[in-house]
Amino acid sequence: QVQLQESGPGLVKPSETLSLTCTVSGGSISTYYWSWIRQPPGKGLEWIGYIYYTGSTIYEPSLKSRVTISVDTSKNQFSLGLTSVTAADTAVYYCARLTTTVTTGYFDCWGQGTLVTVSS
Amino acid sequence: SSELTQDPAVSVALGQTVRITCQGDSLRIYYASWYQQKPGQAPVLVIYNKNNRPSGIPDRFSGTSSGNTASLTITGAQAEDEADYYCNSRDSSGSLVVFGGGTKLTVL
Repeated sequence: QVQLQESGPGLVKPSETLSLTCTVSGGSISTYYWSWIRQPPGKGLEWIGYIYYTGSTIYEPSLKSRVTISVDTSKNQFSLGLTSVTAADTAVYYCARLTTTVTTGYFDCWGQGTLVTVSS
Repeated sequence: SSELTQDPAVSVALGQTVRITCQGDSLRIYYASWYQQKPGQAPVLVIYNKNNRPSGIPDRFSGTSSGNTASLTITGAQAEDEADYYCNSRDSSGSLVVFGGGTKLTVL
């Protein structure tokens, strides 16, 4: 059974870069799409972007200028970078596996989530 | 802003049936999937690709779709079904992913 685990700093200063890594275990990162999703405290889910194991990416347009998602197939990991963070980027960040078909796209495996707080 | 619209809150009496809806133009093209999220936990997929249940999800959960509206139905709601429910699908271009704003389900 595939499991995902987020890792990275829980506190980031304003204007700095948020960096998180998701480690995939129990299966290969190849073949699937992999995504980052966040949830500000008390609010709903916000999709950030996804990456295919080949390295091709798609980002949420409102975050596109600040986001980079990368993949390291040798380590079975993918990563999130978000630049110039503000308090509005404080959220629980989830990594998830995205399964796509011609009729839909859904997240069938999720990490437990990691809270990132932006504060000086 | 979300391209999928959900009612913020819905309530149901224990053992009764409840429908949670999700509206959006992209649902005329793509199917919705549904997630259950309990406080402090990651979301869990309960319905995918309109009306498929992952292994381990009770059969009281079902999904339907008509026009621009997708629905999650819980037939015989249980106390443990009290949670936030989110729909998701692709956007109208097919490239992006969108989530609904979520519905808080209260089981009375």
